[in-house]
Amino acid sequence: DAGVTQSPTHLIKTRGQQVTLRCSPISGHKSVSWYQQVLGQGPQFIFQYYEKEERGRGNFPDRFSARQFPNYSSELNVNALLLGDSALYLCASSLGGQVNSPLHFGNGTRLTVT
Amino acid sequence: AQSVTQPDIHITVSEGASLELRCNYSYGATPYLFWYVQSPGQGLQLLLKYFSGDTLVQGIKGFEAEFKRSQSSFNLRKPSVHWSDAAEYFCAARNTGNQFYFGTGTSLTVIP
Repeated sequence: DAGVTQSPTHLIKTRGQQVTLRCSPISGHKSVSWYQQVLGQGPQFIFQYYEKEERGRGNFPDRFSARQFPNYSSELNVNALLLGDSALYLCASSLGGQVNSPLHFGNGTRLTVT
Repeated sequence: AQSVTQPDIHITVSEGASLELRCNYSYGATPYLFWYVQSPGQGLQLLLKYFSGDTLVQGIKGFEAEFKRSQSSFNLRKPSVHWSDAAEYFCAARNTGNQFYFGTGTSLTVIP
């Protein structure tokens, strides 16, 4: 079975631009979460979606938004990019609905803002 | 607020030696605890998880972890380290909501 897939793998943007990152969860997984991992740090929670509804939001500005589609894939959008948005963006899927569902991560999208 | 602390930023061990990576959590109730491993340029792979019951949990690749409520710890161990274990290790806790809290990670170097 395919794991969590993310696209693109690498991205270079300029300050002020907008970016869209995409994620396809493991088949059968209904929950998708997004995490930001700055170099040398652990992942920080951005969003969680379950059954197309937002179920959690981390401490990120409104420039960050996301959505989940009927096929459970997801997009993360970041507007008005700042240099500090440069990071590895990780998507994770889980069965959802159960608190003991572990996260299964994709390999991430490396975003560089110049 | 819930938090996860990994006191050791970097650890170096010889191949074949034993390993223990420390993790402490701060949470009012018993959290759901996880250990993940990340190789360079890769996502995170689940090593093991603890929810309840037996406080010693076995994971993949020969890893195990022990939950100690009195110490608020969930340390990861391996009896004999292989060179392929060199990676970044993250401890994480999940509350009854939907958010995972990750530690800052421990980088493991294995020397021949």
